Amino acid sequence: ETGVTQTPRHLVMGMTNKKSLKCEQHLGHNAMYWYKQSAKKPLELMFVYNFKEQTENNSVPSRFSPECPNSSHLFLHLHTLQPEDSALYLCASSQEPRGENGNTIYFGEGSWLTVV
Amino acid sequence: AQSVTQLGSHVSVSEGALVLLRCNYSSSVPPYLFWYVQYPNQGLQLLLKYTTGATLVKGINGFEAEFKKSETSFHLTKPSAHMSDAAEYFCAVSDQLGDMRFGAGTRLTVKP
Repeated sequence: ETGVTQTPRHLVMGMTNKKSLKCEQHLGHNAMYWYKQSAKKPLELMFVYNFKEQTENNSVPSRFSPECPNSSHLFLHLHTLQPEDSALYLCASSQEPRGENGNTIYFGEGSWLTVV
Repeated sequence: AQSVTQLGSHVSVSEGALVLLRCNYSSSVPPYLFWYVQYPNQGLQLLLKYTTGATLVKGINGFEAEFKKSETSFHLTKPSAHMSDAAEYFCAVSDQLGDMRFGAGTRLTVKP
């Protein structure tokens, strides 16, 4: 139990579907992140939220839409995805954004997404 | 900008043998260095981290890493591998500006 909970753990969706990934952190942290992990590629940072405000968007296609209603919850809304978007999507949190002062980033167990 | 290079995408050792996973970093300012482990079908879990002070850092499950500034390295070691150590290991670097970068990962296989 890492304190970061992601649902669903597995999701299969068609290219025309709309679905959402949910993340909740129970650690009292102020920063939350979405990462994408694909086979044979380094971890890709997608979005960063600090105190509910988006502070980073690493050129992520608009078919991925994040939402952060409060410091404990983070969503990733998915719409008209492509098969190459199939990957493990990891949510994470830290006390302060992005590892300042050596802050540890805590990861959830991930949501496996398959786009068919 | 920082970067991390993990030498060897796949390392295989026998049970009881020394584990050595290599990580070199590039940073223009004093770095903070991390090792994470990812077991199958799970997220990343912190093994250990270096911020300041003692350069030899001890982590969970018997792992340790040494920060060597002159070699810009932060290699991960464990004296005796266990079957349960089989996983993917990620080195990461950040600094006071907060930009954390992950390496591509090294998959550790432990043979009986």
